[in-house]
Amino acid sequence: AQKVTQAQTEISVVEKEDVTLDCVYETRDTTYYLFWYKQPPSGELVFLIRRNSFDEQNEISGRYSWNFQKSTSSFNFTITASQVVDSAVYFCALSETSGAGKSTFGDGTTLTVKP
Amino acid sequence: DVKVTQSSRYLVKRTGEKVFLECVQDMDHENMFWYRQDPGLGLRLIYFSYDVKMKEKGDIPEGYSVSREKKERFSLILESASTNQTSMYLCASSRSGPGGVTQYFGPGTRLLVL
Repeated sequence: AQKVTQAQTEISVVEKEDVTLDCVYETRDTTYYLFWYKQPPSGELVFLIRRNSFDEQNEISGRYSWNFQKSTSSFNFTITASQVVDSAVYFCALSETSGAGKSTFGDGTTLTVKP
Repeated sequence: DVKVTQSSRYLVKRTGEKVFLECVQDMDHENMFWYRQDPGLGLRLIYFSYDVKMKEKGDIPEGYSVSREKKERFSLILESASTNQTSMYLCASSRSGPGGVTQYFGPGTRLLVL
């Protein structure tokens, strides 16, 4: 069975601080996808990034960066110079690569960025 | 852009009522999903469908049923609503095949059962 653990339930930072959201996963599959989604107060989950299990290259997109380490089964998400608009619930997810691509989601981390 | 719409943002129903939640996607995706989201429990999969008229149970299907008569539409049905079904319901869709898998979500329906 697949499992995703986001140990940090809530994080609060002050604007311009860097913050890292942790994600640890468990799977027996050799191929899989990992995702991060953002859920702002409006409620809709917004897709941020997808990584294939074969691709451990870290990725940077503006103030966002992702660190995928297969050896520790982790896929951490860092926001540099956080802004108030980054306040949201962030979900890490793990997907099968076959069939309908069912996903298992972590419980989410609520990030609050204070001005 | 992928567009997933849900019929209602907020819904208030009474215990015992039959409730229909509708989801429509406009990207010709093969797969559609229904989740419920509760505080501290993340997203839990209720049902999913990988083709028209095809459906599979997710992790918490009890008390729910689904219908997919057309590719773009996936309905979640609460046959007899109960207070413990008060929740946020999220619909998602995804494409099959290589490069698919990414799920795109609708805005969610907040259901209150009194």
